[in-house]
Parts: sequence; C-alpha cells; structure tokens
Amino acid sequence: DTGVSQNPRHKITKRGQNVTFRCDPISEHNRLYWYRQTLGQGPEFLTYFQNEAQLEKSRLLSDRFSAERPKGSFSTLEIQRTEQGDSAMYLCASRENRILSTDTQYFGPGTRLTVL
Amino acid sequence: QQPVQSPQAVILREGEDAVINCSSSKALYSVHWYRQKHGEAPIFLMILLKGGEQKGHDKISASFNEKKQQSSLYLTASQLSYSGTYFCGTHSQGSNYKLTFGKGTLLTVNP
Repeated sequence: DTGVSQNPRHKITKRGQNVTFRCDPISEHNRLYWYRQTLGQGPEFLTYFQNEAQLEKSRLLSDRFSAERPKGSFSTLEIQRTEQGDSAMYLCASRENRILSTDTQYFGPGTRLTVL
Repeated sequence: QQPVQSPQAVILREGEDAVINCSSSKALYSVHWYRQKHGEAPIFLMILLKGGEQKGHDKISASFNEKKQQSSLYLTASQLSYSGTYFCGTHSQGSNYKLTFGKGTLLTVNP
C-alpha cells in the first residue's frame, strides 16, 4: 500500500473555469476527508465521507464546490467557476473505519490549485 | 474553534531542544501532531488522548493536559531533519473525527 494519492499534483486554471481533483485513499479506509490549506495556515476541514455517504460539509464549502465518493473508494472534488480566492492546496486524508480516537488520519500529497 | 499554537516560529542549532504548545478553548478527545515540509503532505507524528497521556517517539515526545486542554510537543537534541512546520490537530466530541488545526509552528534547525 503506497498511501493516499492525489491527482493532479498541480493545477493552473483561469478564473471561471471548472476543475476536478481526485483522491485515492488507503485501501480499506472507509473514512475520507478533504481539507484546504492556504499559505501560512493549517489545513481547514471541507468535507467528510464515510463510505459513499457525505456526512458533513463545512461552511467553507460554497455551492460552487461539490464532492463525491460514488463507490466508497476514490473521491473527487469539483470546483465550478473558479475564483482567485480558491487558490490553495487541497489535501485529502483517510482513516480506518473504527470508532477510536487513536486512529490517525493519513494525508495525501495534495493538489496545488492556482487560479489566474 | 481553531487551537492556538506557540511559538509561531523557532530557530535552533542542531542538538538544541524545543517545545511547541497547542491550546484549545474546547473540550478535546485527542490531539494529533503532524510535521509538514514545504510543498509536502503533513506527516503524522503522534496522537495524545485525554487523560494526560504522554507519548514518545525517538527524541520527540508530547503531553496532553486534559484539564487545561493543552498539549505540548517536545523535541530534544534536534536534528536537521526536524525542520518543518508543526501542526496540532484537535478532535472534539461529535466531530466525525475531523481535525481542527492550528496555524502551525515553523521550526528551523541549522547546523
């Protein structure tokens, strides 16, 4: 198992375009999280999936953002009509499906989005 | 609410010690420490559970004071490889295990 993977690693787009990112979690990790990180800040929670169900969304996730995890494995995060303020590192993390506080979240390398 | 980390930055010489603090205004179930190097993913270091547990990992250890909702990360005999930004992530009740991160502490270890 090679850990959490994310694609693409970098994305440059023009304002107003749509972008989609993909996250492949660690095998058998049922819980998947998306975070956004801007320069000089810690990761900020965006949304959470347990299997294919999206159970929580942050208020940071405007209606231009949508996330899916159709088969409970990989997940996609789409941003429509991108704005310059969307420029950030988008991180995905996965966690085992146990109800233990000791379980950690493992992060992927992230997708760096630059909106021109 | 976002936990508060201190200091914001620290510069060490190789072999020196450092302490990074993380404080929350919310009741916590656990505190998770990560290290992130520029342009890379946060790497998990350790988890601290409520109960004042102290854990260690090589020359890096941490404690969690449940009453004060504070955690501290201790780095002893620092190595060049310790350089990076350290984040504490806190987990509160009913939060779907999502983590709320502080703004980070930039640690620079010089030869």
